[in-house]
Amino acid sequence: ETGVTQTPRHLVMGMTNKKSLKCEQHLGHNAMYWYKQSAKKPLELMFVYNFKEQTENNSVPSRFSPECPNSSHLFLHLHTLQPEDSALYLCASSQERSTGGRINSGNTIYFGEGSWLTVV
Amino acid sequence: GQQLNQSPQSMFIQEGEDVSMNCTSSSIFNTWLWYKQEPGEGPVLLIALYKAGELTSNGRLTAQFGITRKDSFLNISASIPSDVGIYFCAGQGGSEKLVFGKGTKLTVNP
Repeated sequence: ETGVTQTPRHLVMGMTNKKSLKCEQHLGHNAMYWYKQSAKKPLELMFVYNFKEQTENNSVPSRFSPECPNSSHLFLHLHTLQPEDSALYLCASSQERSTGGRINSGNTIYFGEGSWLTVV
Repeated sequence: GQQLNQSPQSMFIQEGEDVSMNCTSSSIFNTWLWYKQEPGEGPVLLIALYKAGELTSNGRLTAQFGITRKDSFLNISASIPSDVGIYFCAGQGGSEKLVFGKGTKLTVNP
């Protein structure tokens, strides 16, 4: 138990569906992240929220839409995805992240268990 | 941008053997993190390093922040079957984003 909970753990959706991934952290952190993990690729940072404000969008297609209603919750809304979007989507959190993207000493990020997404 | 090379890509070892893996970067890093990811799960933090030369242990795991600040290694002593998984390094320097290595897949034969 890392303190970061993701639901659902597995999701299969058609290309015309609309679905959402949910992340909740119980660590009192202020920064939350979405990462994408595809086979044989390094982890790809998608979005960063710092104190509920989006501070990074790593050129992610608009079919992925994040939402951060508060510092404890993060959503990833999915719409008209492509089969190549199938991957493990990981949520993470950290104590805080500066607007320059620096990670201060001690502000290590902690991951959730991931949501396996399959687009058919 | 910053790049990380993690090696080896995979390792097949016998239970009881020691394991060593490393990461090197193209530029100086201020932070090195080591994670383990088991099948179907998210990465779990093993060790965090914040100072050049720092040597930190977590049970049978030991990691070091290289003095050049461009590399880090992770050692696992006396491996056991539950050590199987993918080990990732991650590093960050200056105002750059945290970058991850491609992982080292470890298989331990009983």
